[in-house]
Amino acid sequence: AQTVTQSQPEMSVQEAETVTLSCTYDTSENNYYLFWYKQPPSRQMILVIRQEAYKQQNATENRFSVNFQKAAKSFSLKISDSQLGDTAMYFCAFMNPPGNMLTFGGGTRLMVKP
Amino acid sequence: GAGVSQSPSNKVTEKGKDVELRCDPISGHTALYWYRQSLGQGLEFLIYFQGNSAPDKSGLPSDRFSAERTGGSVSTLTIQRTQQEDSAVYLCASSLARDNRGTDNEQFFGPGTRLTVL
Repeated sequence: AQTVTQSQPEMSVQEAETVTLSCTYDTSENNYYLFWYKQPPSRQMILVIRQEAYKQQNATENRFSVNFQKAAKSFSLKISDSQLGDTAMYFCAFMNPPGNMLTFGGGTRLMVKP
Repeated sequence: GAGVSQSPSNKVTEKGKDVELRCDPISGHTALYWYRQSLGQGLEFLIYFQGNSAPDKSGLPSDRFSAERTGGSVSTLTIQRTQQEDSAVYLCASSLARDNRGTDNEQFFGPGTRLTVL
């Protein structure tokens, strides 16, 4: 079974600064997907960014980028130019095979301070 | 277009009662997932449906939990004889398909149903 670990229960960052959220996972599979989801107080889970394990290039989506280290089984999320609207819970998630259920980490609560 | 919808938004029930939670997936999405989010257990998978295939029930915590998906669209999660440990937010998600590369396996989530068992 796969496991996903987020070692930072809570983090804070000043507005406009950069923050990195950590995620590690454990799997024996070679083909899988990794995701970061954002959950604001509204409870709506929103996909932030995704990474296919077969791609070496790190995914980027505007201010969000990942550092995917396949050998180390690490998948961190970097948020640049943090905005107040980035305040939320962030969940790292693993999917294998493609189209199957998600295994989530415990989440990191991020607070962006003005 | 409309996203995934869930009803009710909140449900308060007494211990021992049965509850039904509803999920309307995005039109055309063949895969539907139920997850549970609780303080003690975090986010955990419950069950998923893919087209006409038999559902994967491997995440259901007990036989008090069951789910149906009628006509490949709407799904209902039923919890019988509710217990206080069933209190959680129940999230539903849908996606276009499984076993496809690319963006088709992205799961879109509903707003959840917060269940409180007194």
